[in-house]
Amino acid sequence: SQTIHQWPATLVQPVGSPLSLECTVEGTSNPNLYWYRQAAGRGLQLLFYSVGIGQISSEVPQNLSASRPQDRQFILSSKKLLLSDSGFYLCACQATGPQETQYFGPGTRLLVL
Amino acid sequence: GENVEQHPSTLSVQEGDSAVIKCTYSDSASNYFPWYKQELGKRPQLIIDIRSNVGEKKDQRIAVTLNKTAKHFSLHITETQPEDSAVYFCAAYAGGSYIPTFGRGTSLIVHP
Repeated sequence: SQTIHQWPATLVQPVGSPLSLECTVEGTSNPNLYWYRQAAGRGLQLLFYSVGIGQISSEVPQNLSASRPQDRQFILSSKKLLLSDSGFYLCACQATGPQETQYFGPGTRLLVL
Repeated sequence: GENVEQHPSTLSVQEGDSAVIKCTYSDSASNYFPWYKQELGKRPQLIIDIRSNVGEKKDQRIAVTLNKTAKHFSLHITETQPEDSAVYFCAAYAGGSYIPTFGRGTSLIVHP
């Protein structure tokens, strides 16, 4: 079974600073990868998904971007953070193909001040 | 696209009671329905799932039922315990899709 790593676990950043969150996956090849954001007490908002290296689809317009430089690496970035970027960022992994189970990483808690 | 509605948003029960959370979906071609449990500050974790070729699935105190005609599926937890307290999310995958549509979540509180 796959293992999903995310780092850092927590992050406090000032408004206007850059951001880089990393997600790596072990135990599977060519997975679909996803970035979600969860505001406090709220649901799961899909930000980006990727079905392969260099292939990124965005679900919502925002000041965030994503990249997939390797098969099992997914990176979430921002050039300038906003207060509204605060939240719990979850990376998820899913085997290739429709209706496969999605598994979540441990998450990164981001606080923008 | 798919639309999933989840009810109730909050559910408070006494320890030992049963709890039921219901989700409805819009796409009749949807055929995979997972349920996740998210404890405070942690990641969502899969607890049970069901595919459209079966109507019910059980795992100890947890069961999921699916009514394809009415387009709804439900999570049933029997003999609830305080450690069942968490937020529960349902999801549905439309036919051929690799992107789940999640419900808004139900906060289950089990009082000792």
